[in-house]
Amino acid sequence: AQSVTQPDIHITVSEGASLELRCNYSYGATPYLFWYVQSPGQGLQLLLKYFSGDTLVQGIKGFEAEFKRSQSSFNLRKPSVHWSDAAEYFCAVGAGYSTLTFGKGTMLLVSP
Amino acid sequence: GAVVSQHPSWVICKSGTSVKIECRSLDFQATTMFWYRQFPKQSLMLMATSNEGSKATYEQGVEKDKFLINHASLTLSTLTVTSAHPEDSSFYICSARLGQEPYNEQFFGPGTRLTVL
Repeated sequence: AQSVTQPDIHITVSEGASLELRCNYSYGATPYLFWYVQSPGQGLQLLLKYFSGDTLVQGIKGFEAEFKRSQSSFNLRKPSVHWSDAAEYFCAVGAGYSTLTFGKGTMLLVSP
Repeated sequence: GAVVSQHPSWVICKSGTSVKIECRSLDFQATTMFWYRQFPKQSLMLMATSNEGSKATYEQGVEKDKFLINHASLTLSTLTVTSAHPEDSSFYICSARLGQEPYNEQFFGPGTRLTVL
C-alpha cells in the first residue's frame, strides 16, 4: 500500500521569502502525486498534480513541484510567499484505481 | 473548474439522532464520489468510495451500518450518520472524481462540520 510522509507539521515563512514543503511517498511503481491546499473550515483545492512527463510541474497561485524518483519526493515550492498563502497543505498519492492517500499536512504560517 | 457542494455546511444534533449530509457535483457527472473524515489537526481519512448505482465500498474499520452512503444519481451522494454519538463529531468532506482514470482530479466539497451533543 502507498503512504505519504510530510515531515514538517508546521512551517513559518516571512512574507516574500521562498517556500519549500516536503513530501515523501512510498509506492512500488510510479504513483500519481498531488498537492492540495486547505483553508480553515474549507474543503481542499488542487494546486498541482503529476502523473507522467516533465518532472517539474507548474500549478496555480505560483506554486510548482518537482518529482524526484530517486528520492521518492514531490516537494512543493514557491519563490515568494504571500500572506494569503497561509493555509494547510496536503500531499497525496494515488496508485492504480485506488483513491488518494493523504499525508498529515503541513500548516504554513506567514509572518509579516 | 468543476464545483462540488455539500449541505449542510454545519450541523449540531443530539446524541442518538441521525444526520444526512448531501454531496452534489454541480456541473459535471461523477461516476465516483468519495467520503472522507477529518479530525482536528489531522489528515483526511477515506471512509468509503461511492459508485453510482451500486453499493459503497467501505474502508476497513468504518461501520457501514452506521455510515450509510447512497449514490442515487451521477450528481448526488449522501452520507447518513445513524444514531450519532459525540465521537462521531468531525469534519466530513466529500469529493467527486471527474473521469474514470485514477489520475483524474478529485474535486472536493467545502465540508460539513458535525457536532453531536
